[in-house]
Amino acid sequence: GAGVSQSPSNKVTEKGKDVELRCDPISGHTALYWYRQSLGQGLEFLIYFQGNSAPDKSGLPSDRFSAERTGGSVSTLTIQRTQQEDSAVYLCASSSYPRIAKNIQYFGAGTRLSVL
Amino acid sequence: AQSVTQLDSHVSVSEGTPVLLRCNYSSSYSPSLFWYVQHPNKGLQLLLKYTSAATLVKGINGFEAEFKKSETSFHLTKPSAHMSDAAEYFCVVSEDPGGGADGLTFGKGTHLIIQP
Repeated sequence: GAGVSQSPSNKVTEKGKDVELRCDPISGHTALYWYRQSLGQGLEFLIYFQGNSAPDKSGLPSDRFSAERTGGSVSTLTIQRTQQEDSAVYLCASSSYPRIAKNIQYFGAGTRLSVL
Repeated sequence: AQSVTQLDSHVSVSEGTPVLLRCNYSSSYSPSLFWYVQHPNKGLQLLLKYTSAATLVKGINGFEAEFKKSETSFHLTKPSAHMSDAAEYFCVVSEDPGGGADGLTFGKGTHLIIQP
């Protein structure tokens, strides 16, 4: 597609349930990023993929969070046993080259997650 | 280590007057700097970027920013505000000692309000 696509756009879930968030990057972009945007917390980097590989998973907030990317394209961010503090907007971005300092990231519109 | 500070959480200006959004950064390496804009319920959009070329950078929608190494600043300006400029603005710093996604840091954002 023309841009980064994220689904669902909104997700409401009950505490303790698992959720999956999907990101479809711009075609041909090898690098993919997940961020979390919480009220009053700004934008928090979660994880980065180069191809299907995530070199550093230390940005994930807890072991309830996991992410995968298959075929060098679509990525899913999974949150297990959701907690209320997981409520946030989850943003995905992609770029054509992994050198962050020199490259532009293109962002999706995000998934707004609400945990009741 | 790198960090970025957006000095104002909210800025309010009248339509047709100049806009100044302030950003200071710290970086151990020669940084790249970006400004992104986020309109309500929309994804992040790149306004402009500085990557060690000209210190005065022109972006989209009439915005520009000047990299001042001596002041470690990268303030965003626009000569005349338009109602459509109302949004959240993020200053982003990236240092690239060897590549890798942990080189990207977002400021907490500045909410720009345009008064009619």
